[in-house]
Amino acid sequence: GQNIDQPTEMTATEGAIVQINCTYQTSGFNGLFWYQQHAGEAPTFLSYNVLDGLEEKGRFSSFLSRSKGYSYLLLKELQMKDSASYLCAPGDSWGKLQFGAGTQVVVTP
Amino acid sequence: GAVVSQHPSWVICKSGTSVKIECRSLDFQATTMFWYRQFPKQSLMLMATSNEGSKATYEQGVEKDKFLINHASLTLSTLTVTSAHPEDSSFYICSAGEGPSDYGYTFGSGTRLTVV
Repeated sequence: GQNIDQPTEMTATEGAIVQINCTYQTSGFNGLFWYQQHAGEAPTFLSYNVLDGLEEKGRFSSFLSRSKGYSYLLLKELQMKDSASYLCAPGDSWGKLQFGAGTQVVVTP
Repeated sequence: GAVVSQHPSWVICKSGTSVKIECRSLDFQATTMFWYRQFPKQSLMLMATSNEGSKATYEQGVEKDKFLINHASLTLSTLTVTSAHPEDSSFYICSAGEGPSDYGYTFGSGTRLTVV
């Protein structure tokens, strides 16, 4: 079965850095996706890691350790618009994603 | 990146009626699409994998006779909620992509279904 764990909520101030951890146990693993979802909207793609290591994309970076079943999403220079739910989603080779419950990030002034 | 269009954005229907939701890949061909459901304040739950030209594969606990999926072309998958009831009220979202890549899998804009 699938087991994906990530914190329920994190609060940080504007300009700060926040790291969202995710651990997973899945079958047929073929990469780890991170999505951002604002309330009432569809998720938008942030990052994809298939190899171990850190992928940097502007203010957002994502890390993967396949052997540990662990990933994190790093949000730097937080802005108010970054307040959203962040979803960790391991995927298989066919594109089927299983989503964690999501981490609600609250950015305060 | 891939563009996925979903229609309608929202729909209100009476209990007992059926509702069809369309998911289209606009700039690529999608042999596989995925349908998710999301209840308020919960994460996305995969309902089924839609396969072009063949039967959909449903996740455990999802009634295939209630949630009919048709993927008749490489750019269109439809989800029909049959005999809808208030407990089917939810946010339904499809996704598709050209494969795992830096663009990921793209989601449609979602359909908010309310059954009254």
